[in-house]
Amino acid sequence: GAGVSQTPSNKVTEKGKYVELRCDPISGHTALYWYRQSLGQGPEFLIYFQGTGAADDSGLPNDRFFAVRPEGSVSTLKIQRTERGDSAVYLCASSPWGTKNTGELFFGEGSRLTVL
Amino acid sequence: DAKTTQPTSMDCAEGRAANLPCNHSTISGNEYVYWYRQIHSQGPQYIIHGLKNNETNEMASLIITEDRKSSTLILPHATLRDTAVYYCIVRVAMDSNYQLIWGAGTKLIIKP
Repeated sequence: GAGVSQTPSNKVTEKGKYVELRCDPISGHTALYWYRQSLGQGPEFLIYFQGTGAADDSGLPNDRFFAVRPEGSVSTLKIQRTERGDSAVYLCASSPWGTKNTGELFFGEGSRLTVL
Repeated sequence: DAKTTQPTSMDCAEGRAANLPCNHSTISGNEYVYWYRQIHSQGPQYIIHGLKNNETNEMASLIITEDRKSSTLILPHATLRDTAVYYCIVRVAMDSNYQLIWGAGTKLIIKP
């Protein structure tokens, strides 16, 4: 489809394992965002890419979390040494506009991560 | 921390107008108000945004008070498919980016 695609839709892992979550934004969208959503809460900002570079990574909770977008399209969120508290839905959003624009974000359906 | 306060939940009869309130008393002059909704197990969906003036689009109307300390999202003729969590969000300026600061939202249930 033409929307934001996230894989896997569900991931169950054990504490201490490494996890990668993938986001395929809408074609041509230069801005890409990662959010984390815990049960019953609104999304929490993690990181924002403009093109290939991370323009704002202030929301990453600690150095176990890292994200890349090497060619300015697909992005991967990487979580090392997962902890039970990392369990959440990880949402990706893209936008054709830069940071100064007031345009909307287009969200994927999220990747649900469960750490046992 | 969220800059908005919303009721936890609301009901509305199908076919009626749904009016969702939001308080944002600490909003700054250049901060926009955004509304998104999230249907169960889906990603959030943009509805509308505004700064000072009232706004209307094909989905909803946004009424912002003159002092900008509160706003109301209006769904003019609610249908069962409008059942969702509705988020009132303030967009704040950071060093290198604008960020949407989300609260916990209002769970709107449309009843037949």
